Amino acid sequence: TQLLEQSPQFLSIQEGENLTVYCNSSSVFSSLQWYRQEPGEGPVLLVTVVTGGEVKKLKRLTFQFGDARKDSSLHITAAQPGDTGLYLCAGRYMEYGNKLVFGAGTILRVKS
Amino acid sequence: EPEVTQTPSHQVTQMGQEVILRCVPISNHLYFYWYRQILGQKVEFLVSFYNNEISEKSEIFDDQFSVERPDGSNFTLKIRSTKLEDSAMYFCASSSQMNTEAFFGQGTRLTVV
Repeated sequence: TQLLEQSPQFLSIQEGENLTVYCNSSSVFSSLQWYRQEPGEGPVLLVTVVTGGEVKKLKRLTFQFGDARKDSSLHITAAQPGDTGLYLCAGRYMEYGNKLVFGAGTILRVKS
Repeated sequence: EPEVTQTPSHQVTQMGQEVILRCVPISNHLYFYWYRQILGQKVEFLVSFYNNEISEKSEIFDDQFSVERPDGSNFTLKIRSTKLEDSAMYFCASSSQMNTEAFFGQGTRLTVV
C-alpha cells in the first residue's frame, strides 16, 4: 500500500492553461514539502507547509495543505513552458521520524 | 545562496568495489541525510545523521553502507562492496532542525558495472 500518492502521474497542457497536482495520504503529515526536479538533478525545494488549512503562494504557484493535514495540492496559474518538470511532494509523518517520504511525482509538460 | 554540494557528479565502479560519495552540507545545518533514486523510481530514504551518529536508517541501509562525518564540513556515504542494483542517483540533503525543510544536493550518479 502506497503511503503517499500523487496524481496525475503525467500532465500535458498548453501554455496559458491552469493545472492542479494532488498529493494524498491516509496518515497525517507532520510537515509536507513540494519539490521540483529536473532530469539528472536533485530536488529543488519550492515550499514547506506545516499548518492544516495553510495556503502559500510562490508567484503563479499556489500550495494548499488540507485541514486534516492528510492532503495537499499545487495549483499553477497560466502555465509556461518553463514550468515543465517533475513535481514531487514529500512528507514527514510523526510515526516515521524525521525521514521524508516521497511521492512518485507528476511529470508536467507545458507546450508553447 | 547556501547549497549542498556533492562530488563526484558521476562515478562508475566495478561490482564488488568500494565507493565513497561525498557531500558538503549547508554550513549551519545539523541534520544530514542520504537518499537514493533508482532510474524511473521514487526518491527513497537511506539514512539520517545527527550529533555524529545515525538517528534513523531504512531497510535499504544494510551492513554494506556506512556514513561518516570525518571533519566539520564533509558528510560521506560509503558502499563497501557495490552490487549492480546499487546503481542509482544518490542525493545528500541537510536541514537546520528536525522536521524542517531539507535541501538537496545535485546528486551523484553511481553506475556499477
